Amino acid sequence: DQQVKQNSPSLSVQEGRISILNCDYTNSMFDYFLWYKKYPAEGPTFLISISSIKDKNEDGRFTVFLNKSAKHLSLHIVPSQPGDSAVYFCAASASNTGNQFYFGTGTSLTVIP
Amino acid sequence: GAGVSQSPSNKVTEKGKDVELRCDPISGHTALYWYRQSLGQGLEFLIYFQGNSAPDKSGLPSDRFSAERTGGSVSTLTIQRTQQEDSAVYLCASSLSRLEQETQYFGPGTRLLVL
Repeated sequence: DQQVKQNSPSLSVQEGRISILNCDYTNSMFDYFLWYKKYPAEGPTFLISISSIKDKNEDGRFTVFLNKSAKHLSLHIVPSQPGDSAVYFCAASASNTGNQFYFGTGTSLTVIP
Repeated sequence: GAGVSQSPSNKVTEKGKDVELRCDPISGHTALYWYRQSLGQGLEFLIYFQGNSAPDKSGLPSDRFSAERTGGSVSTLTIQRTQQEDSAVYLCASSLSRLEQETQYFGPGTRLLVL
């Protein structure tokens, strides 16, 4: 039962344009969300997070938006750069359910120079 | 380096054999997680260690899987009598603590192939 879903397995964007990666979740108890970036043969690296008390968090070129009513979050990268090409995972956790983080299946982003 | 390290990076084994996967967390990190990523799947939580507390084993898929963490540092994930469906990338992560949903730092993973 996939509680965190990334329905787009891949995305291609032109350099300089905006990349929008989407993530949906089913558990309304999730209150903390993260995005990780993964290059081939490396482990995921933390990118940005958002708590459910916010609807937006920005860090440089990366912005995460949270729509709790729709159980949807998105990662915006603008402007996109070729070095952003990687697999992006969203993850969610609920503070009242202990230690589990639930990850999506990932979206492979390709930024075309 | 100062990151999470895992060994071996790749492991090929025959069905029915036991395997051991090792994780060296970042020094000082008290929390350690094991995840599994099968082809086309997200990261699946396996087990969690926090300091000297009893581990959270709720994600282990069967009793063939076990893990230990010696001295609060290095962890070993053991898979007994491996099956082909155990083929996956096994990722280890560590964080300073479980408090405040601390950011996890991942190792590069061990790619396990069971023939």
